[in-house]
Amino acid sequence: ETGVTQSPTHLIKTRGQQVTLRCSSQSGHNTVSWYQQALGQGPQFIFQYYREEENGRGNFPPRFSGLQFPNYSSELNVNALELDDSALYLCASSFHGPRNEQFFGPGTRLTVL
Amino acid sequence: GNSVTQMEGPVTLSEEAFLTINCTYTATGYPSLFWYVQYPGEGLQLLLKATKADDKGSNKGFEATYRKETTSFHLEKGSVQVSDSAVYFCALRNGAGGTSYGKLTFGQGTILTVHP
Repeated sequence: ETGVTQSPTHLIKTRGQQVTLRCSSQSGHNTVSWYQQALGQGPQFIFQYYREEENGRGNFPPRFSGLQFPNYSSELNVNALELDDSALYLCASSFHGPRNEQFFGPGTRLTVL
Repeated sequence: GNSVTQMEGPVTLSEEAFLTINCTYTATGYPSLFWYVQYPGEGLQLLLKATKADDKGSNKGFEATYRKETTSFHLEKGSVQVSDSAVYFCALRNGAGGTSYGKLTFGQGTILTVHP
């Protein structure tokens, strides 16, 4: 059974640029959630995708957007990058339903200069 | 809204010492409570969980009891090892119903360092 994988591992961008982060869910999982973990902080929920649609969203601006594909993998897109977007971005996959355990990937470290 | 507060860190202990990391929460309804661990360079791993009041979650020698009367879920271990050095996160998740979709709300994390 393959766990949750994320790519790339590290990424450096400059202010104003756009970035795409990718996540492959664990085998059989149909729901993907994204979290932002700033340095020294706990993860914060960005949004969740199920059946290729956004299923819930945290307190993040519209320049944070996502996609889910038929194979349940997902992308997180961030436009007009700001310095404060520098963080570890974590993807978690699960079966659909609020009681199901979320399994986390290793994360993508984004640095915005 | 939901929130989780963890004790200020970091925590530094000698091997075989007793560990307590405090966690309190604010939530509506009857949340499930979790402890996650993050080792250097890795993602989050679920350490233990409790889904209702007075439940005790346990794993790898770690324990935490869901205390609704004090809205707490403190993590304890009787004898820590160097390999327990990591960042520990307390988290909650609201139950089913309404607009709930299982999002996790995390505390700020506590860095634990265990010396030989």
